[in-house]
Amino acid sequence: DIQMTQSPSSLSASVGDRVTITCRASQSISRYLNWYQQKSRKAPKLLIYTASSLHSGVPSRFSGSGSGTDFTLTISSLQPEDFATYYCQQTYSVPWTFGQGTKVEIK
Amino acid sequence: QVQLVQSGGGVVQPGGSLRLSCAASGFTVSDYGMHWVRQAPGKGLEWVAFIRSDGTNEYYADSVKGRFIISRDISENTLYLQMNSLRAEDTAVYYCAKNFGAALTAGDYWGQGTVVAISS
Repeated sequence: DIQMTQSPSSLSASVGDRVTITCRASQSISRYLNWYQQKSRKAPKLLIYTASSLHSGVPSRFSGSGSGTDFTLTISSLQPEDFATYYCQQTYSVPWTFGQGTKVEIK
Repeated sequence: QVQLVQSGGGVVQPGGSLRLSCAASGFTVSDYGMHWVRQAPGKGLEWVAFIRSDGTNEYYADSVKGRFIISRDISENTLYLQMNSLRAEDTAVYYCAKNFGAALTAGDYWGQGTVVAISS
């Protein structure tokens, strides 16, 4: 199975900050990487697919990059509604594994 | 609009069975693949199972293979997860999700989640 490792596991940031979350795959997954946002353990929401494509309705302050084994999710200017837990997921091979999550908290 | 409404969770004894349902509206389950994803208490997301749009193939996480069965009823436009030989470690909130498209694997719409608790 492909292991997905996110860093950091949690971070504290202020409104307006630029935030970057990293996701590393245990082997190359090309660009088969999704990012999700989960608030207060509600249903996750798709943010980014195929590493850098913004899902419909997602604000442009969210962006994704990377290929192979290293990927990043960037929030250019953190907003109050962005405080949540973020997960990466590889869809290169079954089982489609998630990272352990990164919790973004208010500083 | 797309909506997924889940039902069927509850408390079951170890070794028991449970069937989860996910009623879809706003799209046809025969046009899209469908996922089940779970989240144990205090833990992250775990992908559980997937059924292709044409119903020809199903895929499972190793942790549930041989015990869980994903299926759908096109006439009811509903996705199911039959869970057998349940274990304590199956305790979680279970989510169904619609797959984004034929050439892309991602959950773009999700159900509200249903709680499954395995306890004696």
